[in-house]
Amino acid sequence: EIHMTQSPSFVSASVGDTVTITCRASQDIRNWLAWYQQKPEKAPKPLIYTAASSESGVPSRFSGSGSGTDFTLTISFLQPEDSATYFCQQADSFPVTFGGGTKVEIK
Amino acid sequence: EAQLLESGGGLVQPGGSLRLSCSASGFNFKNYAMNWVRQAPGRGLEWVATISDDGGRTTFADAVKGRFVISRDNSKDSLYLQLNSLRPEDTALYYCTKSRSSSWSPDASNIWGQGTRVTVSS
Repeated sequence: EIHMTQSPSFVSASVGDTVTITCRASQDIRNWLAWYQQKPEKAPKPLIYTAASSESGVPSRFSGSGSGTDFTLTISFLQPEDSATYFCQQADSFPVTFGGGTKVEIK
Repeated sequence: EAQLLESGGGLVQPGGSLRLSCSASGFNFKNYAMNWVRQAPGRGLEWVATISDDGGRTTFADAVKGRFVISRDNSKDSLYLQLNSLRPEDTALYYCTKSRSSSWSPDASNIWGQGTRVTVSS
């Protein structure tokens, strides 16, 4: 089973800041990585797939990068509505596994 | 607009059974693999099971293997999850999700339902 480690688990930042979230896979997953945003009491919203491709309708301030074992989700020019928990997910092999999540708080 | 709507959750005693349903609309259901993902209260996301577009292949998380069954009816645009021998640790919000592609391989989910809540308690 591929283990996904996200860091940090919590980040507090101001509107306009750039936030970087890291996801590390326990083995090479090529570019089979997705990112999701989840707000309280809501279903996860897809943001990024295959490490760097944006889902339709996702603001351009969200970007993904990386390959192999190390991946990054960058939120540029942070907005109040970006307050949420972000999860990564590997889609390289079954069982599909998720990172533990990163909670982004707006100061 | 592509949508998924889950139903069938509820309160069940340990050892009991439940059948979850997911109704799809707005996309060609029969062309995509489908998944169940769950989230225990206050916890992260946990993949449960995946079924191929034609229903011929399924795979499960070890935590539910032998107890849960995933199935689909493409004539009804519906996905199902039969939960048997339920345990308190199965308590979670269960999401139905659509894979991005039709291929039989792990995939990102680009459509999520709102979830149906399962509580296992005596």
